[in-house]
Amino acid sequence: SQKIEQNSEALNIQEGKTATLTCNYTNYSPAYLQWYRQDPGRGPVFLLLIRENEKEKRKERLKVTFDTTLKQSLFHITASQPADSATYLCAPLRRDSNYQLIWGAGTKLIIKP
Amino acid sequence: NAGVTQTPKFQVLKTGQSMTLQCAQDMNHNSMYWYRQDPGMGLRLIYYSASEGTTDKGEVPNGYNVSRLNKREFSLRLESAAPSQTSVYFCASSDQTGGGNLYEQYFGPGTRLTVT
Repeated sequence: SQKIEQNSEALNIQEGKTATLTCNYTNYSPAYLQWYRQDPGRGPVFLLLIRENEKEKRKERLKVTFDTTLKQSLFHITASQPADSATYLCAPLRRDSNYQLIWGAGTKLIIKP
Repeated sequence: NAGVTQTPKFQVLKTGQSMTLQCAQDMNHNSMYWYRQDPGMGLRLIYYSASEGTTDKGEVPNGYNVSRLNKREFSLRLESAAPSQTSVYFCASSDQTGGGNLYEQYFGPGTRLTVT
């Protein structure tokens, strides 16, 4: 079955450093993958989308990579700030679907001042 | 624009009771979704509607029904609530018509449902 894995343990990073979150997927090859941010008590908010033919995508301090050989996406936040503290969700497109995403459980990121 | 709105925000039901969760979007999106989110698990798709007039089952449809009332509104009904349906329910919508961020989903604030 199609499976998504994200680090279940919280990631603690010092303010100003780069935070790197990992998303691994197994048993399929998604056409694209999305990253979302979720704050406590709120719905997820879209951040970035990367397609299978793109190696890297950037938006301000955010960078996403997509390695189809390793079946892995990395999400980087440079010059991290306490306001970046949240849970980050990885969501590749479900195989044979134009509409359905498969969601990882998310990684909680804590940026310490 | 309000984006995606959901009502109610909180609900407590007794086992066997029924209720309908309401969702509306004002972004003229074609597709709408209902998810549930449980601790330590990813969002799981209950039902989705690719366009007005169509609905399809997602990963966990048992115990739920949906209605796509019009392009704006997509409701989720629990006919006979069970404790296993205690969860946070999110409605989302997306635009399928191209652009730089194909299929980006916009989420509502969620409904926190407890079934006792």
